[in-house]
Amino acid sequence: GIQVEQSPPDLILQEGANSTLRCNFSDSVNNLQWFHQNPWGQLINLFYIPSGTKQNGRLSATTVATERYSLLYISSSQTTDSGVYFCASNTGNQFYFGTGTSLTVIP
Amino acid sequence: NAGVTQTPKFQVLKTGQSMTLQCAQDMNHEYMSWYRQDPGMGLRLIHYSVGAGITDQGEVPNGYNVSRSTTEDFPLRLLSAAPSQTSVYFCASGGGGGELFFGEGSRLTVL
Repeated sequence: GIQVEQSPPDLILQEGANSTLRCNFSDSVNNLQWFHQNPWGQLINLFYIPSGTKQNGRLSATTVATERYSLLYISSSQTTDSGVYFCASNTGNQFYFGTGTSLTVIP
Repeated sequence: NAGVTQTPKFQVLKTGQSMTLQCAQDMNHEYMSWYRQDPGMGLRLIHYSVGAGITDQGEVPNGYNVSRSTTEDFPLRLLSAAPSQTSVYFCASGGGGGELFFGEGSRLTVL
């Protein structure tokens, strides 16, 4: 299967700061997605981004499929951004997830 | 607009008991899957299905059974629960574009 490496594993930010989360894959990137797991445990879809760049408000993501990585940018962070961020991709019908970046935003 | 619905949300079992986690989706997705989430390990695929009557194993299938008799439902069965199956379980479905949508999770404790 695919090895998915996320960095950094933990991140603490002051409210209003910006951050970049990275996801590296050991094999071809297919249906790459970013998720936010909120403190209540829900997995929220952030981006479906097999390639290119997308933006949604303060969040944006870029996937460079040829180099097997994806970046998630969070600007002007808010306390509600706290939680764990996961990326995932698939080979065939099997999806593989990274171990996540745990983000804490301090007021 | 329910999306993916999982029940129950919480369950406590004794070792050796059996149970079924239910998953239903109303998006007419062919692809459905079950994951378990353990601390520090992300989500790992247990079983998946690409349509009614078709199921296959993921990374960690041992101790779990699935069936897919309809497009909407994909139950996960634990035939003889073990403490190692204490985890949070997520069901997900996906359309032809490859994007996954998750249920809210089921927290299982096996004593």
